[in-house]
Amino acid sequence: DQQVKQNSPSLSVQEGRISILNCDYTNSMFDYFLWYKKYPAEGPTFLISISSIKDKNEDGRFTVFLNKSAKHLSLHIVPSQPGDSAVYFCAARPYNAGNNRKLIWGLGTSLAVNP
Amino acid sequence: DAGITQSPRHKVTETGTPVTLRCHQTENHRYMYWYRQDPGHGLRLIHYSYGVKDTDKGEVSDGYSVSRSKTEDFLLTLESATSSQTSVYFCAIRGGQQETQYFGPGTRLLVL
Repeated sequence: DQQVKQNSPSLSVQEGRISILNCDYTNSMFDYFLWYKKYPAEGPTFLISISSIKDKNEDGRFTVFLNKSAKHLSLHIVPSQPGDSAVYFCAARPYNAGNNRKLIWGLGTSLAVNP
Repeated sequence: DAGITQSPRHKVTETGTPVTLRCHQTENHRYMYWYRQDPGHGLRLIHYSYGVKDTDKGEVSDGYSVSRSKTEDFLLTLESATSSQTSVYFCAIRGGQQETQYFGPGTRLLVL
């Protein structure tokens, strides 16, 4: 059972507009959420994260919003650029991850930004 | 750049042969991870290590073994490769202020 869900496999937006990528989770016992971006033939790269005690974190064009009551987070990219075209993964870190601190991953959303 | 390299970057092998993938890091991180990525499955954890000679299984560990005899190297072995192990394999380390995972460039493995 997927504990972290990215329900949209793909998203297409126009250059300059806002891209909104969504992620839902089912377990309340996550203390940290992360977004990664992945280009073809490369490893995932860390993009932005948010602690469960916050509801917003911003870094340049990227903002992550966390709605704990809805168990929902979203990544906003404004303005979108063609270079943002990639697969975006949402990941969550359990509170009691023990020694390994394993991340729980969504399946990814493929974003296409059209010129 | 977290100083992670993977070798080989590409490999074609035959069913039944052993295969070893290497992950090398230069920054002395304690935690290292092996993932595989497949269409429709996202990233799945195979094995991880929390120190030299300290390893444990992930969610898809069957058919794989790992070893970590030095801090900088984490090896993933397919004892007898099968076609279902055709995949892209990523190594990651855990580091940074928020203990984020940082990934290597990946190894593309094709088992014929």
